[in-house]
Amino acid sequence: ETGVTQTPRHLVMGMTNKKSLKCEQHLGHNAMYWYKQSAKKPLELMFVYNFKEQTENNSVPSRFSPECPNSSHLFLHLHTLQPEDSALYLCASSQAGEHNEQFFGPGTRLTVL
Amino acid sequence: GQNIDQPTEMTATEGAIVQINCTYQTSGFNGLFWYQQHAGEAPTFLSYNVLDGLEEKGRFSSFLSRSKGYSYLLLKELQMKDSASYLCAVMDSNYQLIWGAGTKLIIKP
Repeated sequence: ETGVTQTPRHLVMGMTNKKSLKCEQHLGHNAMYWYKQSAKKPLELMFVYNFKEQTENNSVPSRFSPECPNSSHLFLHLHTLQPEDSALYLCASSQAGEHNEQFFGPGTRLTVL
Repeated sequence: GQNIDQPTEMTATEGAIVQINCTYQTSGFNGLFWYQQHAGEAPTFLSYNVLDGLEEKGRFSSFLSRSKGYSYLLLKELQMKDSASYLCAVMDSNYQLIWGAGTKLIIKP
């Protein structure tokens, strides 16, 4: 049990669909992250929230829209995605600070048809 | 640019020792992390090094040389359950993690 949960675990969607990924952390952390993991590529940081405020947006296309209603929940809203967006989307949390390890959820395996 | 290099895949025998290397070039350095990721699962934290030298934690040890931009993860007394990908990540001057692509470790009986 990692303390970070993600739903759904698997998602197949068409390019015109709208869907949302959900992440919840039960660790009392104040920083949350969205990553994209593609096969044989490094983890790509997408968004960072510290104390519910977005502090990083690494040139992510606008078809990905994050939402952080409170320090325990993080959403990634998806709209008009492309097949190349198919990947594993990982959520992580940590205590905001320099050297604090990140705890990861199990990820959502997304396939865009 | 920022870059983390580690071998794509390694194979080792059960009971043996394996060393997974990681070299990095980043804008600033605020520590290096190693994570383990089993197929289909979340990455889990293994170790953190910010000073030069060796950190030992049971069967796993991690070494850092900041002057060489180099780290390794040493796994002893390999077990079949150690088959996984091992991710190296460096925290840069903005306290963001820069990740390597991971090393897939295959353990053979």
